[in-house]
Amino acid sequence: GENVEQHPSTLSVQEGDSAVIKCTYSDSASNYFPWYKQELGKRPQLIIDIRSNVGEKKDQRIAVTLNKTAKHFSLHITETQPEDSAVYFCAASGGSYIPTFGRGTSLIVHP
Amino acid sequence: EPEVTQTPSHQVTQMGQEVILRCVPISNHLYFYWYRQILGQKVEFLVSFYNNEISEKSEIFDDQFSVERPDGSNFTLKIRSTKLEDSAMYFCASTGDSQETQYFGPGTRLLVL
Repeated sequence: GENVEQHPSTLSVQEGDSAVIKCTYSDSASNYFPWYKQELGKRPQLIIDIRSNVGEKKDQRIAVTLNKTAKHFSLHITETQPEDSAVYFCAASGGSYIPTFGRGTSLIVHP
Repeated sequence: EPEVTQTPSHQVTQMGQEVILRCVPISNHLYFYWYRQILGQKVEFLVSFYNNEISEKSEIFDDQFSVERPDGSNFTLKIRSTKLEDSAMYFCASTGDSQETQYFGPGTRLLVL
């Protein structure tokens, strides 16, 4: 089955800095890669996703890149703000549409 | 914007007891899921449900678990005889036709004593 690795497990940045979270996946058949943000005690919420026919997608301060050859994808957050502090999960899914999640990255943005 | 809802938000039970976790998916969604998240760990898939039957299940979803859609709106997860290691946050999710974007409920925190 699919295996998703996510790094780093914890990321601490100063407000205004950029943050990058990286994930790799194992199943070349995976074609959909969502990113979820989970604030403490809350539900995971989709923040951005990318499909395998696209290399990069941007939505305001967040962007995701995908390298299908290397089987890795990354989340980039620019101009971080304290409210960006949360746990971020990457995921990969293919034909079954069941996402396999990474272990999560705890992002801490210091004011 | 419509959201997935879950009840109860918290459930405390004794080991060996049965629990039923309830979910109301988004009304026009067709695919329903249960996930669990042990404290501090990643979200793990349990089961998916479509057209009134299980479409996929993980190794975690053993004979102690069952799911049901008893009416047109509710989707339930039953754990027959809870174990200590069942303590976790349980999330329900639903998707529409595209099946890609998972919309999660707020979760039920289950504590087995």
